[in-house]
Amino acid sequence: DSGVTQTPKHLITATGQRVTLRCSPRSGDLSVYWYQQSLDQGLQFLIHYYNGEERAKGNILERFSAQQFPDLHSELNLSSLELGDSALYFCASSAGPSSTDTQYFGPGTRLTVL
Amino acid sequence: EDQVTQSPEALRLQEGESSSLNCSYTVSGLRGLFWYRQDPGKGPEFLFTLYSAGEEKEKERLKATLTKKESFLHITAPKPEDSATYLCAVRAGTASKLTFGTGTRLQVTL
Repeated sequence: DSGVTQTPKHLITATGQRVTLRCSPRSGDLSVYWYQQSLDQGLQFLIHYYNGEERAKGNILERFSAQQFPDLHSELNLSSLELGDSALYFCASSAGPSSTDTQYFGPGTRLTVL
Repeated sequence: EDQVTQSPEALRLQEGESSSLNCSYTVSGLRGLFWYRQDPGKGPEFLFTLYSAGEEKEKERLKATLTKKESFLHITAPKPEDSATYLCAVRAGTASKLTFGTGTRLQVTL
């Protein structure tokens, strides 16, 4: 158990809908990262928040957005969902923003878009 | 752009048959090379971080090594419970992201 929690574990929805994925980092960690894992793409970085502020964006679609709240939990919002958005979404956390910090991953949310 | 290539894609070993997994990388300003283990449908589980060439780390039957161009994950006398996908990732410069390889699927049979 990494100490990172994610809810829900599974999500099934229809095209065009909007969903919210939630992540709580390990106790004491200030950085939260979101990754997408699909069969053909592997693990892809989406976005990084540190202590409530956005630090970096990866290949995140405009239909996707995220935020980190004062209690440090984070939410990833996915809208106008398409079939291709079906994937595993992982949250990771680390102590700080440093590029040498180890990222610890949560159990993931499996999103299925029908 | 940072690149990570892992080989082989899949590896089948018998229990007790030692082997090595390879991770080749091309980055500008390596800040860390990370090994993770991932079971099907689960999140990646952290194994090791290596920061500089020549560094080695061990944990039970696993040993990770790092050179300027690649890293090896050596598995000594594996057991069936070592079956998983092993992922290698790098972090470079001041980048937030981890760049992952596509992994090596390891199956250890009795």
